[in-house]
Amino acid sequence: DAGVIQSPRHEVTEMGQEVTLRCKPISGHNSLFWYRQTMMRGLELLIYFNNNVPIDDSGMPEDRFSAKMPNASFSTLKIQPSEPRDSAVYFCASSGDISSQHFGDGTRLSIL
Amino acid sequence: SQQGEEDPQALSIQEGENATMNCSYKTSINNLQWYRQNSGRGLVHLILIRSNEREKHSGRLRVTLDTSKKSSSLLITASRAADTASYFCATDASDYKLSFGAGTTVTVRA
Repeated sequence: DAGVIQSPRHEVTEMGQEVTLRCKPISGHNSLFWYRQTMMRGLELLIYFNNNVPIDDSGMPEDRFSAKMPNASFSTLKIQPSEPRDSAVYFCASSGDISSQHFGDGTRLSIL
Repeated sequence: SQQGEEDPQALSIQEGENATMNCSYKTSINNLQWYRQNSGRGLVHLILIRSNEREKHSGRLRVTLDTSKKSSSLLITASRAADTASYFCATDASDYKLSFGAGTTVTVRA
């Protein structure tokens, strides 16, 4: 039973470059979440999709961040242009109901 | 913003001992969840306790909830090396949004 799959697991890139993070949620889950985890701020919700529609993007830090969910089995989080302060672990999670969220193993992003 | 705050921030125990960590929150909730995060991995859901429940068990885990004090505790009994991880409480800030605390890092020494 496949869990939430994220790619890449690690990304190191230079400031100013475009970064695209990918997520495949668990089949049948209709909710998808993107989080960012840092030591300073902990786990922050960036954006929430329900049935492929963005419902709450109030956590997206700046216009440099964008997220899409073109279908029920795929979502992307894009940062353009990237900055060193974007360095963090980005998690995707999916859920079929409110009782729990299922997290991927994250993408560790380093912007030099 | 983090609604749940875990205490202590870090905990080191001997294998076989029990580990207890606490979570306090600020606003009314419908339910509270506990998650575990192993190093380099995503969060894993452990248990959910509803606001009308006072105690819940799952294997070696025991969770309590005191809505009058706005607090919850997670007890891990007979700890094992594999229990070494960070533990987070999460409260339902809305129908879909979870607010996570900063976590308690538990180290189980062999």
